[in-house]
Amino acid sequence: AQSVTQLDSQVPVFEEAPVELRCNYSSSVSVYLFWYVQYPNQGLQLLLKYLSGSTLVKGINGFEAEFNKSQTSFHLRKPSVHISDTAEYFCAVVGGGNKLTFGTGTQLKVEL
Amino acid sequence: DAMVIQNPRYQVTQFGKPVTLSCSQTLNHNVMYWYQQKSSQAPKLLFHYYDKDFNNEADTPDNFQSRRPNTSFCFLDIRSPGLGDAAMYLCATSRDGSEQFGQGTRLTVV
Repeated sequence: AQSVTQLDSQVPVFEEAPVELRCNYSSSVSVYLFWYVQYPNQGLQLLLKYLSGSTLVKGINGFEAEFNKSQTSFHLRKPSVHISDTAEYFCAVVGGGNKLTFGTGTQLKVEL
Repeated sequence: DAMVIQNPRYQVTQFGKPVTLSCSQTLNHNVMYWYQQKSSQAPKLLFHYYDKDFNNEADTPDNFQSRRPNTSFCFLDIRSPGLGDAAMYLCATSRDGSEQFGQGTRLTVV
């Protein structure tokens, strides 16, 4: 079985500042890793994913994440956030089987 | 564009009155999922289909049922909705482990 931990339930940040949203996972098998964003009353939108290959993954809206196998982490970063990035962000993992396991989410609040 | 479509976006139902939520996809993905998401929580998997094979999560209440008549469509039936079933219901599809989500249906029980 696999699990995902998002340690920060809320992250406030000023506009144009950098941000990092943390995600750690545990799994006994090789995993695929994902970050999703959810705006209010919307479904989840895929930001980026790591399936194999380069450990630095670039996604939409200027986000990127780095897969670190030794630290079992997949932290999400953006060098300069915008007000429109205010949303809930979910880290997720697929291990054995076809099922996503989600973290509890991090609410990113970008302030002026 | 190929996508996952959920109808309706907002559904109001009476306590105890059966309700069906629908999901369709044009991606031709073989796996389809239904999630329940309550306020400020992560999505919780209810069940999924791998092709026609139905996989129920152990803690999904019997009140929730699903049908997948063909590759493109999947339905979520709530036989007797209670107030605690008010939530966002998300449908998703996948082929390679990367899930594509619909916009969700927000269910209100009155």
